[in-house]
Amino acid sequence: EVQLVESGGGLVKPGGSLRLSCAASGFTFSSYSMNWVRQAPGKGLEWVSSVSSSSSYIYYADSVRGRFTISRDNAKNSLYLQVNSLRTEDTAVYYCARGVVAAHLRYYFDYWGQGTLVTVSS
Amino acid sequence: EIVLTQSPGTLSLSPGERATLSCRASQSVSSSYLAWYQQKPGQAPRLLIYGASSRATGVPDRFSGSGSGTDFTLTISRLEPEDFAVYYCQQYGSSPPYSFGQGTKLEIK
Repeated sequence: EVQLVESGGGLVKPGGSLRLSCAASGFTFSSYSMNWVRQAPGKGLEWVSSVSSSSSYIYYADSVRGRFTISRDNAKNSLYLQVNSLRTEDTAVYYCARGVVAAHLRYYFDYWGQGTLVTVSS
Repeated sequence: EIVLTQSPGTLSLSPGERATLSCRASQSVSSSYLAWYQQKPGQAPRLLIYGASSRATGVPDRFSGSGSGTDFTLTISRLEPEDFAVYYCQQYGSSPPYSFGQGTKLEIK
């Protein structure tokens, strides 16, 4: 059974940092792209970042580029998101999602974790 | 960046009725690389449809997707009580950024 379990969220002041983690199990982690998608309270889904299976390709939404860093450790079956210089508008549930490759850099998301809440407030 | 617009924002129907949800793209979605997700309160999104019309594993056949180019549709042929949720479309027809629609809330009438 595919499982994705996020952790690392919490309450942080504006300008602060967090490291989000996603522990994967039940599939060959190194064969899939991995992604972060967030959802602000009461709002829709927003794609944040993607990393290809071997970390050769990494992409970010404009809203987080330069502040967030995605990484993965295939030996540990883990995905990470380092979030720096946090703003109030970054408050959201952050989901990790497994990406299915439809074509080169064309991913849809077939399994999602339950999310971790990041709250940015003074 | 491709912008996806979903309509209607809210759809009020009764169990047993047919639901038709629309997703319109600001430019053509390559190879019909469009997915649909269902999200219930307090839960993570669930993949329903990929490639515009292929059902994901375990998705009941009352869910169907259609469309190409800029216009896509999710149809639920006969609503069950568990189908009342928010539905999002997502395009992956170009390199990131991937975009989601703003969602359609399907509520019980």
